[in-house]
Formats: sequence, C-alpha cells, structure tokens
Amino acid sequence: GAVVSQHPSRVICKSGTSVKIECRSLDFQATTMFWYRQFPKQSLMLMATSNEGSKATYEQGVEKDKFLINHASLTLSTLTVTSAHPEDSSFYICSARSGGAINEQFFGPGTRLTVL
Amino acid sequence: AQSVTQLGSHVSVSEGALVLLRCNYSSSVPPYLFWYVQYPNQGLQLLLKYTTGATLVKGINGFEAEFKKSETSFHLTKPSAHMSDAAEYFCAVSEGGFNKFYFGSGTKLNVKP
Repeated sequence: GAVVSQHPSRVICKSGTSVKIECRSLDFQATTMFWYRQFPKQSLMLMATSNEGSKATYEQGVEKDKFLINHASLTLSTLTVTSAHPEDSSFYICSARSGGAINEQFFGPGTRLTVL
Repeated sequence: AQSVTQLGSHVSVSEGALVLLRCNYSSSVPPYLFWYVQYPNQGLQLLLKYTTGATLVKGINGFEAEFKKSETSFHLTKPSAHMSDAAEYFCAVSEGGFNKFYFGSGTKLNVKP
C-alpha cells in the first residue's frame, strides 16, 4: 500500500522557537495533503487542507500565521509551528490523498511535538 | 455537516469474547466510513472502509463492520478478542469521497486475560 512518512517523529523545542514538520508521500503523488492535531487522549482534529501549488485552507479556529503550511510538490508538505508555546505541544499527523484510480487518503505515523 | 459519535470511550472485554465498538454518524452526502486503530504514540492504521457496494465490510485482523443507512451506524465487530487488539479505535466519516475526515472521539479497547 501507499506509504506516508513524517519527519521528525519526535521533537522537543524551547518556547518561542519555530519547528518544521515534513510529510512525504513515498510512492505516490499526493494532490492533497491534510494536517491533523491530536491532543492527549483526544481525537484527531483537522487543522488544514493543502493542495499542491496553492494556499492551504484552514479550519475554523486554526491560526494560519501560527501554523504555516507549504505544499511545494506533489510529494512533500510541511507544517511549521511558529513561535511555539507549551500549549502547542501535541501529536501532529498528516495524511495524503492520491488522485486518479487510487483516490484514497493515507496517514503518516505522526510527530510528537513537545514545547518546553 | 459531518460528525461522528462513538459511544463508550472505554470498552473492556475478556480475551476470546465478542468485540463491539459503536459508531454513529451524520452526513449530508453519501458517506465514506472508516475504522482506524491507533497504538500508543503511533499513527493510524486502517482497519476497514466502506465506500459503496456491499454493506458488510471485512477488514484486517478479523474485524468487520456493517453500514446501516437507516440507523446511520457503522459498528465495528470482531468475534473473538485477542490481547493484541488492545488499542484505541477511531471511526471516521469523509465527505464526498476521500476528502476531509471527521473523526469520532475514539474508543479505547482493553482486553482482559
């Protein structure tokens, strides 16, 4: 099946710094990528949808200036948490959707962000 | 609008017993429905999905689910629980195909020896 990777798997940073998380589709081209956030012991909440080459669409309540999303190619999307604060600590999961005949959504393994 | 309700945040069964995890959804369009499993500190693994066609869907690890439109339900079952089934399970609905996913709050399954 299709594989989506995320890097890093874990990151610890100081408050006020920025952190970049990469999401890659390894064996298919992803026309659309999604970013989710999962708080401890809670469900996944969709943060934004990004289409290659265009601006991301953010869900209500998600700060676009705080969570910068770039989908520069059909295999890579990045999420940058700017000026991170402890409340940004969370598990971030991306997913990628292929187009064409295999129009499915595949999830990455997630990135655990801890902001000190 | 789409939403998913999973009844029971925690379910405990004995090894070998039937597993039943409940999921009800609301959707303004024909839904695509999914069940995912998540082990601690890991991503989501797809168990099974319903898109169109046969309403009884079989997935991996002996799980299956039945789409019941009249009841707006997509409950997950497994005839005989195994210790390795202990994990958190999420039901999800997507709008208009494999677009935005809306997840339920999750059900943590505990399997007792």
